Order: sequence, then C-alpha cells, then structure tokens
Amino acid sequence: EAAVTQSPRNKVAVTGGKVTLSCNQTNNHNNMYWYRQDTGHGLRLIHYSYGAGSTEKGDIPDGYKASRPSQENFSLILELATPSQTSVYFCASGDAGGAYAEQFFGPGTRLTVL
Amino acid sequence: QQQVRQSPQSLTVWEGETTILNCSYEDSTFDYFPWYRQFPGKSPALLIAISLVSNKKEDGRFTIFFNKREKKLSLHITDSQPGDSATYFCAAKSSSGSWQLIFGSGTQLTVMP
Repeated sequence: EAAVTQSPRNKVAVTGGKVTLSCNQTNNHNNMYWYRQDTGHGLRLIHYSYGAGSTEKGDIPDGYKASRPSQENFSLILELATPSQTSVYFCASGDAGGAYAEQFFGPGTRLTVL
Repeated sequence: QQQVRQSPQSLTVWEGETTILNCSYEDSTFDYFPWYRQFPGKSPALLIAISLVSNKKEDGRFTIFFNKREKKLSLHITDSQPGDSATYFCAAKSSSGSWQLIFGSGTQLTVMP
C-alpha cells in the first residue's frame, strides 16, 4: 500500500533553533506538499514540489525553506524557529496526471517551539 | 483572504439525521472540489470529490450538490452515524495548471448517539 511517512512525529524546539521536518513517500508521485494545520485555519500550504530538485512557494512560505533531493523525499526547514511556528505539519503526495488531484497525507508532525 | 469558505464552523446532529455541510468559493478558475475528512488525531483523507462538469456526486451516504452559478457546494450525509464524527474540509483546485488545493477552514461534525 502506498504510504507517506513523516519524521519526527513530535518535536520540541527552542526559539532561534533550526528544525528540519522530513517526509518520505512510496507512492512514486511527482508532487509533494507541506501544510500546517492550526485551529480555525484549516490546512495552509507552505511549500510544494513538482519533482526532484524543484520547490515552489505556497501561500505561507515566510520563515520556511523546502528541499526535494529525490522523488521520495521532501523536507521542510525552519532556519530560525519562532513560537508562531508551533503547529501540526502535514506532508502529502499527489499524482500530477489525470483529471483529479487527490493528495495522500502523512501522519503529521506536532512541532512546539518554546 | 479565504478563497474557500465553509459553514458552519461546528455542527452537532443526532444519529440518523441528515447532515448538511456548506462550502462556497469565489475564484472562477476552480474546477475540482474534493472533500477531505479528518478524524481526531489522524490525517486528512479524501472522502468524495466533484468536478465542474457535474451537478451532483453520490457515494453511499455521502452526496455533493453543486450550484455552479452561485459558486456553492454542499455535502449531505444521510443517516448520520457517530462514526461520522470528524472534521470535514472542502477544497478547490484551479484549472490554471497548478496542482495546489485550497482548503477551507473545516466543519467539525459531532453525531450524537
């Protein structure tokens, strides 16, 4: 069964520290996405990628960087973490082909920045 | 700027009732509207979806009704069950070529036994 995995599942970081969230997919999907989920805001897109080596800014990219070194892996990097980045982060993958854009989500990473 | 709006924010119904969740949008380039369901502590998963060419999409107890002229959709859940308790997100994709989904803020549904 196709799967999207994320690590770590929980992370506590200090303000100003560097945080890297990792995502791996075995779906062989071209597209990958990073979202954050906060109460009252639903899912907001941070960065996405159309394939290895590509990254694009989503709706709320400030304070985040992304890296797509391979088809399977997509990382989200917080160079200088701030308390406002405390959230649940979801990675997703999706197939670029066809009429539909179903996205498959990972289990999420709960990040707390103190 | 919220491009996809959902109402109500939360809803409680009794088992067996029909639940109606609402969604509206403004962008005329949107052509695909999936609904995702998220159980507490879990990740979102696709529940049902509709494209611009259809007015209605059914899947078991779940039906999407689509009013293109008013840019409104609704998700109907018939014979609601306690197991349907979850947060439901309406989303939209643009026909512009991007594969991004724009998500609404969600409706938290509780079905009481």
